[in-house]
Amino acid sequence: SQTIHQWPATLVQPVGSPLSLECTVEGTSNPNLYWYRQAAGRGLQLLFYSVGIGQISSEVPQNLSASRPQDRQFILSSKKLLLSDSGFYLCAWSDGEAGELFFGEGSRLTVL
Amino acid sequence: KNQVEQSPQSLIILEGKNCTLQCNYTVTPFSNLRWYKQDTGRGPVSLTIMTFSENTKSNGRYTATLDADTKQSSLHITASQLSDSASYICVVSAKSSYKLIFGSGTRLLVRP
Repeated sequence: SQTIHQWPATLVQPVGSPLSLECTVEGTSNPNLYWYRQAAGRGLQLLFYSVGIGQISSEVPQNLSASRPQDRQFILSSKKLLLSDSGFYLCAWSDGEAGELFFGEGSRLTVL
Repeated sequence: KNQVEQSPQSLIILEGKNCTLQCNYTVTPFSNLRWYKQDTGRGPVSLTIMTFSENTKSNGRYTATLDADTKQSSLHITASQLSDSASYICVVSAKSSYKLIFGSGTRLLVRP
């Protein structure tokens, strides 16, 4: 069966520090991978989308970046965090565009 | 503009009671509609996924309906349990698009 792992679960970082959130999927190959951010009381916002290794689509201009160094690995990064980067980050995967979306457990980022 | 609106924003019911959550959407061309359950601090988990031709779909005590003509969906929860306390998110997918349109969710609290 397929599983998705995301870490760290919680992170407290000072403004200006770097960020790295990692997500891996097991039990499937060539999944579509996504990074979402969820602000309190609001819907999920798509940040990045990837259909394959090295292929990243960015949805929202920001100081975040994503990389897909391996087929089932998706990394969300920042060189310098801003206060506004605080939020709940969710990695997800799907099998094709219309396939069901499976989410990781989320990473709570607090920037102080 | 593609949008998904959910109501009510929050709901409190007593254990054992039924409730219905609403979702209206303006996404075109429509592909499918999904309901997710998200426990606090966790990733969303899929409850149902419905295509244009499906009017009703059940998953245990959860029953989703879809009226593609009026662009409305509902999620009915029968005989609520304390573990039903969560946010319920309506998500609509457009054809030929990887982008999902998320509602902001209905926060349900089931009290003993």
